[in-house]
Amino acid sequence: GAVVSQHPSWVICKSGTSVKIECRSLDFQATTMFWYRQFPKQSLMLMATSNEGSKATYEQGVEKDKFLINHASLTLSTLTVTSAHPEDSSFYICSARNRGPNYGYTFGSGTRLTVV
Amino acid sequence: QQQVKQSPQSLIVQKGGISIINCAYENTAFDYFPWYQQFPGKGPALLIAIRPDVSEKKEGRFTISFNKSAKQFSLHIMDSQPGDSATYFCAASKAASGSRLTFGEGTQLTVNP
Repeated sequence: GAVVSQHPSWVICKSGTSVKIECRSLDFQATTMFWYRQFPKQSLMLMATSNEGSKATYEQGVEKDKFLINHASLTLSTLTVTSAHPEDSSFYICSARNRGPNYGYTFGSGTRLTVV
Repeated sequence: QQQVKQSPQSLIVQKGGISIINCAYENTAFDYFPWYQQFPGKGPALLIAIRPDVSEKKEGRFTISFNKSAKQFSLHIMDSQPGDSATYFCAASKAASGSRLTFGEGTQLTVNP
């Protein structure tokens, strides 16, 4: 089945530093990748949608200069949280949509970011 | 028109019982209806999905029932087990390239031993 690898699974960083999260589709080419943020006991909140080779589309209220998304290939997307602050602490999850009429969405295992 | 409404918010069942979670959608362009299971600290994992050309799909103890005219779909977990205790999300999406998943609010299922 489709597998999406997300790294790291957890990270602790100091305020003001930047953190990069990687999302790779291991056995399929992802036409589109999505980045979500999830708060405790809540549903997934879509942050941005990225297509390979083009700029990401950010949801309303998401700071594109703080959350940098790069989708360099059909199998790799990265989310960089720049100048992180404690309020950026959250659970970040990526997802990839595969091609074709029988499309589906596969999620990464998530990254717990703690900013101290 | 992009909303997916999920109920109940939480559900407690006894081991061996049937767990039923319901979702309703508004956008008739949706053509893919997955259910995801999420354990604490993990990403959602696809449990089962259905497309609107069938009214029911069964995989092991998990069944999706789909009512296109009512724009509703539900997840039934037969013989519920303590290991099924997790958060369940319904979702829906359109076929158009790049379309996002629209999620329900989630259901916290607890199966008591």
